[in-house]
Amino acid sequence: DAGVIQSPRHEVTEMGQEVTLRCKPISGHDYLFWYRQTMMRGLELLIYFNNNVPIDDSGMPEDRFSAKMPNASFSTLKIQPSEPRDSAVYFCASSLEGYQPQHFGDGTRLSIL
Amino acid sequence: QKEVEQDPGPLSVPEGAIVSLNCTYSNSAFQYFMWYRQYSRKGPELLMYTYSSGNKEDGRFTAQVDKSSKYISLFIRDSQPSDSATYLCATQGAGGTSYGKLTFGQGTILTVHP
Repeated sequence: DAGVIQSPRHEVTEMGQEVTLRCKPISGHDYLFWYRQTMMRGLELLIYFNNNVPIDDSGMPEDRFSAKMPNASFSTLKIQPSEPRDSAVYFCASSLEGYQPQHFGDGTRLSIL
Repeated sequence: QKEVEQDPGPLSVPEGAIVSLNCTYSNSAFQYFMWYRQYSRKGPELLMYTYSSGNKEDGRFTAQVDKSSKYISLFIRDSQPSDSATYLCATQGAGGTSYGKLTFGQGTILTVHP
């Protein structure tokens, strides 16, 4: 079975540019999560969706960050404008139910110059 | 104080050793407990998933949860070089504001040398 698929795997861009990260969850999973991982702060939940509806976005750091889930098989995390402190690895995860184990993609390594 | 505390290590052991990894947590609402393994430049991979207190065994891996002391452990028997990775503990509540939200420890870097 295909796992969670993220693209791109790597992104290098200049400060001020718009960045869009993409995620395809595991088919049939009703929950989708976006995380950010840094050396200083570890893995942090940014936002999660249930049945394509955002449930909790309290982890989104600033208004520059936005996330959408237009359908059950696709989600985006957008940063506009990007800043060097946004450099991190961004993970998408999905689960069948909110209390079920979450399965992670391999992440997008983002570098903002 | 972080909700989940984990010694970041690094931890280095010889092949065949028994490895003990530990976390403590502060939120008594946490009901689900997980261990993830993360190889370099890969996403976290679920190793163990337990509900409430008790032990769970899967091959060389044993997870223990003691809710009375808010302590979770992962034991790896007969450790192999392929076990070298970062191990992350994670906790989750059963309802309310913590439903669906994993809280991770910082991760412990483990190296098993031949």
